Formats: sequence, C-alpha cells, structure tokens
Amino acid sequence: GQQLNQSPQSMFIQEGEDVSMNCTSSSIFNTWLWYKQDPGEGPVLLIALYKAGELTSNGRLTAQFGITRKDSFLNISASIPSDVGIYFCAGQTSGSRLTFGEGTQLTVNP
Amino acid sequence: IAGITQAPTSQILAAGRRMTLRCTQDMRHNAMYWYRQDLGLGLRLIHYSNTAGTTGKGEVPDGYSVSRANTDDFPLTLASAVPSQTSVYFCASSNTPTSYNEQFFGPGTRLTVL
Repeated sequence: GQQLNQSPQSMFIQEGEDVSMNCTSSSIFNTWLWYKQDPGEGPVLLIALYKAGELTSNGRLTAQFGITRKDSFLNISASIPSDVGIYFCAGQTSGSRLTFGEGTQLTVNP
Repeated sequence: IAGITQAPTSQILAAGRRMTLRCTQDMRHNAMYWYRQDLGLGLRLIHYSNTAGTTGKGEVPDGYSVSRANTDDFPLTLASAVPSQTSVYFCASSNTPTSYNEQFFGPGTRLTVL
C-alpha cells in the first residue's frame, strides 16, 4: 500500500522560531492536505494542495505541493505557544482514500 | 452547525464487553470513516463507508464492525473488547470518498479497555 513518511516525529522550539516539517511518499499523489490536532481534539484541516508546485499560505502557515508529486512541506513562521499540537500530512491518489502520515508533535516553549 | 459529533467522550470498559461508539454528521456528507489514533502510529483507518448502505474495511478492521443505515450516522461496534483496543477513536466525513477528499473530524472518543 501507499506509504507516507513524515518528519520530524517531534520538535521542541522557542517561541518566535520558524518551523518546517515535510512528508514524502513512495507514490504520486494528486492531493496533499495538512491537518493540525490540538490536545484532546480532532484534527482540523489547515491547508489543501491540489496541483504540483502549488504554494499556499494560511496566515503564518505556508505549504507546498512538491514538483515530483511525492512530497509536501509545511512551514510555520514566528511560532507562538498556541501552535502546539500534532501536525499531520495526508495524501491522496485519484480514486483512493486519504493516507495519513504519522504526525509531527510540535512543542513551543514561551 | 455541529459538524460531526461523537459519543461518548470517553469510556472505561471491561474486557469482553460489547461497546458501540456513536458518530453523527449534519453536513450531508456521502462518505464517513472511523480511525484509531495510537502514539507513534498516527491515524489508522478501521472502516469506511462511501455512501449510505455500503461499508468497507480499512487498514485495521479486525474486532470492529460498522453499519451505515442512513447518511448521518455511522456507529462503530466492538463486539468483545480487548485491551489492545484501548485508543482514541475519531470519526470523520467527507463530501465524496475520493477526489478532493477533505475530511472533517469529530472530537474523538477516548476508550480504555481493562
């Protein structure tokens, strides 16, 4: 089946620092999604990417759909304490369901 | 608009007992999903339903069953719970099962099987 490798598994940063995380796949995807899960809650969609090379921003968040269609990254600029949580990437090929990465646990120290 | 609701919020269950986790969505989405989330393993798909009246097995279906009698409800049943089913369970839905699949998640049910 499809495999998604998400890295890093965890990050500990200081408030104000920038963050970068990425996902790579063994398969080509048509869609990349990035979710955030706050402690004790369900994942919430942050950014959706539908075309290779697409770069999309949502406030301090920026995500890109890799040219090869096998990877995507998420950047968070000027982190704040409420950025704490687990970030998941998810990819989809045409006609299939979403495959989720294992998540990146982000801790922001004030 | 409630989106997706799950019940109960949490439950402690004795091994061998039967348990049904409830999930209801009010977005009229065609597709619904059940995931379990375990530390270090991310989200793993248990069962899914592409539309009312149909269901399918996901990555880890053993020990679980589902039904989809109507569009809104997608209950997950553990016929005889075992400790390895201790996990956080998330229900999700999407307008379509495939293309442009933006899934929306419920708040989760934390289940402990002793």
